[in-house]
Amino acid sequence: GAVVSQHPSRVICKSGTSVKIECRSLDFQATTMFWYRQFPKKSLMLMATSNEGSKATYEQGVEKDKFLINHASLTLSTLTVTSAHPEDSSFYICSASAGTSGNTIYFGEGSWLTVV
Amino acid sequence: DQQVKQNSPSLSVQEGRISILNCDYTNSMFDYFLWYKKYPAEGPTFLISISSIKDKNEDGRFTVFLNKSAKHLSLHIVPSQPGDSAVYFCAASPSIQGAQKLVFGQGTRLTINP
Repeated sequence: GAVVSQHPSRVICKSGTSVKIECRSLDFQATTMFWYRQFPKKSLMLMATSNEGSKATYEQGVEKDKFLINHASLTLSTLTVTSAHPEDSSFYICSASAGTSGNTIYFGEGSWLTVV
Repeated sequence: DQQVKQNSPSLSVQEGRISILNCDYTNSMFDYFLWYKKYPAEGPTFLISISSIKDKNEDGRFTVFLNKSAKHLSLHIVPSQPGDSAVYFCAASPSIQGAQKLVFGQGTRLTINP
């Protein structure tokens, strides 16, 4: 079945550095992918909508210059956390839709980012 | 403003009994609702969904009930099994179309006791 894969699953980086997280749709094309963030014991919060071939759409309160999103192909979207700070430490997760109904929304495995 | 709320952070149920997870929403524009199951360090996996034109949808042991007037939905799992232990998220969307962004509740951790 359709699968969405994220990489890396866990990453530790130093404050001030940048880290890139990849989201791939493995056997389907996704013109739109979504990036979510989850704080401990909190809900998944939508950060941005990644659109293939165009600029991402960011949710209110999300800094577009800090969380760079690139959707260069129909199977890959990347989220780059720039100049990372400890408060950026979180669980980041992407999703993509393989069809037109809700049960075709697939999530990646998620990426744990720890900024030290 | 939390548009989708799961007021019970945790729930413990005996194996074989019924598990009932609740979810409330505030946005009347939501037209499609989904339940996801999530294990630690994994992404959510789809369980069951319901559109606003229905009040019940059943899939095996899982049944979702929707009360539009109360803006409330619930997930029933019967009989509950140890493998059902996970965090359950309800989510809502303004459209049944798959490429719509979802608004999630905070999640409820379900523990099934042997």
